[in-house]
Amino acid sequence: AQSVTQLGSHVSVSEGALVLLRCNYSSSVPPYLFWYVQYPNQGLQLLLKYTTGATLVKGINGFEAEFKKSETSFHLTKPSAHMSDAAEYFCAVSREGFQKLVFGTGTRLLVSP
Amino acid sequence: ETGVTQTPRHLVMGMTNKKSLKCEQHLGHNAMYWYKQSAKKPLELMFVYNFKEQTENNSVPSRFSPECPNSSHLFLHLHTLQPEDSALYLCASSQGIGIQETQYFGPGTRLLVL
Repeated sequence: AQSVTQLGSHVSVSEGALVLLRCNYSSSVPPYLFWYVQYPNQGLQLLLKYTTGATLVKGINGFEAEFKKSETSFHLTKPSAHMSDAAEYFCAVSREGFQKLVFGTGTRLLVSP
Repeated sequence: ETGVTQTPRHLVMGMTNKKSLKCEQHLGHNAMYWYKQSAKKPLELMFVYNFKEQTENNSVPSRFSPECPNSSHLFLHLHTLQPEDSALYLCASSQGIGIQETQYFGPGTRLLVL
């Protein structure tokens, strides 16, 4: 079985500060890992994904995530938060041969001036 | 129109009503999905269609009835719903059903069942 845990339903940062959104997964086989972002009144948009290869994955809008197998983690980071980053972020996991994406419960990022 | 569109964006219905949600993708994709997004819960996959054929039904109650007449259109027919069915219903599409495929989401239909 696969599952995803996102620590913290809300994360607050100041504009210009580091953004760190945590995601831990459980998977019995090598996983595929995704981060999606949902802006208010919109659907989900893919930020980045890890399938194989380089463990540090760069995505859109300056975000990146690192796959750490030993820690079963795929945390999302951005060096400097912008007001436009305020949104809800979802981590998701799947694996080869498995059609479903299993999503976490989401983390709402709040950015203050 | 570009991307994935959904209509209506908001819907209020009584438990005895029948209504339909519509999704259209303008991306030339072959796979389409329905998801349910409820507050404080993970996104739940409901149905998957690939080349108009249903490939996944995630134990969804029969009061939800999907229809996929072609690869560009997906409907969700609703009847005798319950208040706990109130949620945001998201449609998505992808080129294929391989899990490396990126899914593109519509803005959703926010449904309230009274």
